[in-house]
Amino acid sequence: AQTVTQSQPEMSVQEAETVTLSCTYDTSESNYYLFWYKQPPSRQMILVIRQEAYKQQNATENRFSVNFQKAAKSFSLKISDSQLGDTAMYFCAFMKGVYGTSGSRLTFGEGTQLTVNP
Amino acid sequence: EAQVTQNPRYLITVTGKKLTVTCSQNMNHEYMSWYRQDPGLGLRQIYYSMNVEVTDKGDVPEGYKVSRKEKRNFPLILESPSPNQTSLYFCASRRAREDTQYFGPGTRLTVL
Repeated sequence: AQTVTQSQPEMSVQEAETVTLSCTYDTSESNYYLFWYKQPPSRQMILVIRQEAYKQQNATENRFSVNFQKAAKSFSLKISDSQLGDTAMYFCAFMKGVYGTSGSRLTFGEGTQLTVNP
Repeated sequence: EAQVTQNPRYLITVTGKKLTVTCSQNMNHEYMSWYRQDPGLGLRQIYYSMNVEVTDKGDVPEGYKVSRKEKRNFPLILESPSPNQTSLYFCASRRAREDTQYFGPGTRLTVL
């Protein structure tokens, strides 16, 4: 079974600064996907960024980027130029390949509450 | 607009009173899932469906039932709710050969 661990329950950062959220996972699979989801106070689950395991290049989406270390099974999220609207719970998630029953489940970490201070 | 809808958004009920939370998607997705979110535990999958009439248990299925009679709908049924089912529930869907899941807005359930 896969496990996802986020070791930082809470973090804070000053507006305009950079913050990195940590995530480690455990799997024996070779084909999988990793995600970061944002959950603001509205509780909506918003996909921030995704990474395909077979791609070595780290994914980026505007101010959000990841550091994907496949051998170390690490998938950290870097938020640059933090904004007040980035205040939210952030979840790291894992999914096996998309086909068949193996692709049915997202396995989530415990979450990291990020607060951006003015 | 492509979306996943859930109803109701908020529900307070009492122990033992059967309830159904509906989930509907308009994207013709094959896969649908239910998750529950609890503090410190993240989201955990309850049940999933790979297509019409095909459902299976996730990580925490006890006390829940589902059905998939139509492709767009995937209701979650609690036949005898208990206080430990107080949680935030999410429905999600995705296309069979794609990895991105689309989440509904969530249903906050309180069982007294």
